Amino acid sequence: NAGVTQTPKFQVLKTGQSMTLQCAQDMNHNSMYWYRQDPGMGLRLIYYSASEGTTDKGEVPNGYNVSRLNKREFSLRLESAAPSQTSVYFCASSERGGSYEQYFGPGTRLTVT
Amino acid sequence: KNEVEQSPQNLTAQEGEFITINCSYSVGISALHWLQQHPGGGIVSLFMLSSGKKKHGRLIATINIQEKHSSLHITASHPRDSAVYICAVRGPGETSGSRLTFGEGTQLTVNP
Repeated sequence: NAGVTQTPKFQVLKTGQSMTLQCAQDMNHNSMYWYRQDPGMGLRLIYYSASEGTTDKGEVPNGYNVSRLNKREFSLRLESAAPSQTSVYFCASSERGGSYEQYFGPGTRLTVT
Repeated sequence: KNEVEQSPQNLTAQEGEFITINCSYSVGISALHWLQQHPGGGIVSLFMLSSGKKKHGRLIATINIQEKHSSLHITASHPRDSAVYICAVRGPGETSGSRLTFGEGTQLTVNP
């Protein structure tokens, strides 16, 4: 079992460029999440998908879009990157919602110049 | 929105010491999570609890629902316990959905 995988691990973008962060889990979990982590702040939820076919905004959704492609995969897209989106991004999954243990991917370190 | 406060922000201990990290939250919850973030950045779940106490090896997590407070204890600490420890809570009821609110974390350094 690979658990939760994320690609890429590192990325540098110029302002205005777009990119998609990929996430996949092999634990047959229903719920998947995208978080960002910034120095001096806790993890913040960007978007989540409670189950296949549904997505909902989290705390900081502006500038991002998501797609729950199937039960395994949940991608995060930055349409026009901004320096404020420089962060470490984590994907996570859980069997169902927030009362279940969450499993995290290794993270993507994104720098927007 | 639930506010989650952790204390201390930074903690340095000598190997073998008993360590306590605290987490307080402002609104009633249905679940509380303790996570560990390794120096390399990876995050793993340590505990999920809604009442009482859980123990895993040298780690013990307790929660007092009435006082809106949880503690993470590490007995016989070891340098490999050096990491950031993060508290996260889920609000009550279905209106909270899948959302967790996270504390800023406690940086623990255990010296040999």
